[in-house]
Amino acid sequence: DAKTTQPPSMDCAEGRAANLPCNHSTISGNEYVYWYRQIHSQGPQYIIHGLKNNETNEMASLIITEDRKSSTLILPHATLRDTAVYYCIVRGYNFNKFYFGSGTKLNVKP
Amino acid sequence: GAVVSQHPSWVICKSGTSVKIECRSLDFQATTMFWYRQFPKQSLMLMATSNEGSKATYEQGVEKDKFLINHASLTLSTLTVTSAHPEDSSFYICSARSSGGPYNEQFFGPGTRLTVL
Repeated sequence: DAKTTQPPSMDCAEGRAANLPCNHSTISGNEYVYWYRQIHSQGPQYIIHGLKNNETNEMASLIITEDRKSSTLILPHATLRDTAVYYCIVRGYNFNKFYFGSGTKLNVKP
Repeated sequence: GAVVSQHPSWVICKSGTSVKIECRSLDFQATTMFWYRQFPKQSLMLMATSNEGSKATYEQGVEKDKFLINHASLTLSTLTVTSAHPEDSSFYICSARSSGGPYNEQFFGPGTRLTVL
């Protein structure tokens, strides 16, 4: 699986958009980008995933660059409850395993 | 989304005893489940893959005799930490792959905090 690189931490003001970057320059053609988040002392929560097109659901938007070497998770209106560690994971669709990197600690401040 | 539960949510035990942690998929069948370990302020580390009806496969460096995994049904996998020691104190998390789902994502349990005295 491709390795991902994320900033260790980010701050965001409540109500503003949070843009979390992820670098996956060694991604291969059949690998998807998944985003999960982990609120303190809980299990990870699925957010969104995509292959090459931008994706949006009720939680977030995922923007993948045309060369697929990086992506951005967008939380359009961050709330205090969005404070968590966000993990970007690259994985082949038919592969079972998830290997977690160090993630980005998002601090949403009032 | 699909729900995965773990029991117990926390456990304290004496050094040398064994502890069993259960992972259940509540509303779907999971032929494959996964066990992770997470130390404070660190990321999740995949320990093993649990396959229903067959032996688990362990990640490099994980002692299979120390961490016994049983996946006896399509909704239940158990992790037994044998002869636990203080260094085994950690947050243990399981996940289950929804084989019937359209997106192949994994659903994670809430975690079990193990403290070995």
